[in-house]
Amino acid sequence: QVQLVQSGAEVKKPGASVRVSCKASGYTLTNYYMHWLRQAPGQGPEWMGWINPNSGDTNYAQKFQDRVTMTRDTSISTFYMDLSRLTSDDTALYFCARETGHVGYEYWGQGTLVTVSS
Amino acid sequence: DIQMTQSPSSLSASVGDRVTISCRASQNINTYLNWYQQKPGEAPKLLISAAFSLHSGVPSRFSGSGSGTDFTLTISGLQPEDFATYYCQQSDSTPTFGQGTRLEIK
Repeated sequence: QVQLVQSGAEVKKPGASVRVSCKASGYTLTNYYMHWLRQAPGQGPEWMGWINPNSGDTNYAQKFQDRVTMTRDTSISTFYMDLSRLTSDDTALYFCARETGHVGYEYWGQGTLVTVSS
Repeated sequence: DIQMTQSPSSLSASVGDRVTISCRASQNINTYLNWYQQKPGEAPKLLISAAFSLHSGVPSRFSGSGSGTDFTLTISGLQPEDFATYYCQQSDSTPTFGQGTRLEIK
């Protein structure tokens, strides 16, 4: 069965960077783009971007354009999301999610809590 | 980006009730509208895609309708496990979500 397993919670200081990983299994990695979203406390999910696992091409939300980098290592079926210059506004639950065309996010990771605090 | 507005923001209902949640897009999204259920500490779960297609394994008491800018999620015969927060999401362009509707037990 499809599984997306994310790395554990992180606590970072303002100005630092964070890396969240997402290990995929149960499907052919190269058939589906991987998306990253985040959810601040009490708010709806927010899309951050996607990565094409074949080419490594990315598409980032304008809001994160200069701070986010999405990569993948197909040899270990793992995706990465790096976010730099963290502020308290970046405190959120971060998710990887697999989308199938325009039909929504069918599979999600369990979420990784990133807390930014001095 | 397309703005998604849900109403109401919260709703109290009883087991067995029929409830409806509305979602409005700031521009025409045809039927590129998905609905999710989320419980505390969990990832969102896809319920309905493309406005009215029930996702695999989702009970038939959930249904979706609408097109263009106005959409509705209906739950007919609420069950205890349905008390959660519901989100709409448009997939016509850069994905955006509504702010959520919290469904609580009356």
